[in-house]
Amino acid sequence: NAGVTQTPKFQVLKTGQSMTLQCAQDMNHNSMYWYRQDPGMGLRLIYYSASEGTTDKGEVPNGYNVSRLNKREFSLRLESAAPSQTSVYFCASSELRTGGNQPQHFGDGTRLSIL
Amino acid sequence: GDSVTQMEGPVTLSEEAFLTINCTYTATGYPSLFWYVQYPGEGLQLLLKATKADDKGSNKGFEATYRKETTSFHLEKGSVQVSDSAVYFCALGVGDGGFKTIFGAGTRLFVKA
Repeated sequence: NAGVTQTPKFQVLKTGQSMTLQCAQDMNHNSMYWYRQDPGMGLRLIYYSASEGTTDKGEVPNGYNVSRLNKREFSLRLESAAPSQTSVYFCASSELRTGGNQPQHFGDGTRLSIL
Repeated sequence: GDSVTQMEGPVTLSEEAFLTINCTYTATGYPSLFWYVQYPGEGLQLLLKATKADDKGSNKGFEATYRKETTSFHLEKGSVQVSDSAVYFCALGVGDGGFKTIFGAGTRLFVKA
């Protein structure tokens, strides 16, 4: 019953450092997403991958890059971390099917602090 | 553009009180509507959903009805418990291929014993 697994769970970086957040899902879902959650702002979409081999920008893509490594894995990279990127990051996945939007399944998040 | 507006929190209730969290949306076409719940330290979990007008989603005593005429999807529960304390997100499913979701800002619920 793993669902969506995110690593690491916590991370502290210094400004300018780089890191990659990992995400894997075992539900054979086509679509995967990266969000950030900030107090009072709900979830904002950073990047998404509708299916293996495709990625697209969401609402707040600046300062991030993504890689859809295979159907299971979707990573998020911060090339040069900035304090404004301090947030909780969530990965999610969903089926891609016609006839109405499918619910998303979320990991437990990565809590990232940039000093 | 497409958007979701939900009531600001926090909402504080006593155990066994009636809960309503308002949610309205703006969208073209016929979106799907969702309520998600987030417990402390966890990711969001689907609570219920509705895919067409007049559908009622329900789960764990929570209900919401898809009202196209008022563009609303209000969450209700007849008798809340302390364990219902969490953040609740209303969400709208949109996009080509039907896979993008827009989330409201969330409403924090505190239930006192």
